[in-house]
Amino acid sequence: GAVVSQHPSRVICKSGTSVKIECRSLDFQATTMFWYRQFPKQSLMLMATSNEGSKATYEQGVEKDKFLINHASLTLSTLTVTSAHPEDSSFYICSARPPAPSYEQYFGPGTRLTVT
Amino acid sequence: QKEVEQNSGPLSVPEGAIASLNCTYSDRGSQSFFWYRQYSGKSPELIMSIYSNGDKEDGRFTAQLNKASQYVSLLIRDSQPSDSATYLCAVKRQYTGNQFYFGTGTSLTVIP
Repeated sequence: GAVVSQHPSRVICKSGTSVKIECRSLDFQATTMFWYRQFPKQSLMLMATSNEGSKATYEQGVEKDKFLINHASLTLSTLTVTSAHPEDSSFYICSARPPAPSYEQYFGPGTRLTVT
Repeated sequence: QKEVEQNSGPLSVPEGAIASLNCTYSDRGSQSFFWYRQYSGKSPELIMSIYSNGDKEDGRFTAQLNKASQYVSLLIRDSQPSDSATYLCAVKRQYTGNQFYFGTGTSLTVIP
């Protein structure tokens, strides 16, 4: 199956700092990647859809200036949490979709962010 | 009405039994359906995708789709303790781009 990596797997940062999370599709080109957030005991919440070479589409209630997404190539998307606060502590997971005709999404292993 | 609904469980079955997980969706035009398994503290892993009415089998897993009833299910035969996880149903609607709509998941426990 398709492999998606994420880095770092775990990060602890101080309040007010920024954190960058990388998502890579290792064995396929992904024109579309997705960023999700998951709080404990809750389901996935889509934050934004990232398309290579264009601006990300953010879901309602997600601040685009706080969660900066860059999809610079067909295998790499990054999410930067700017001016992180303790309430941003969560499990951030990216997924990538292989080229058509596949509709499947493959998830990265996730990044656990703790803001102190 | 939620886009995708699942019984949160927990669902408990004895080892070796069949586990049946159910999912309903609200958009009749939905075309693509997926089942993911998520272990605690891990990210979701794709188990099955199904696009046409009927059954699709892959090893111990069978996905069943009934578009008329807007219902998709996942059967796990010969359940093993390692199958204990949360199972997420995901639906891709026809005209909303690439976005998936996820259910809240059903927690399954297979008792040895």
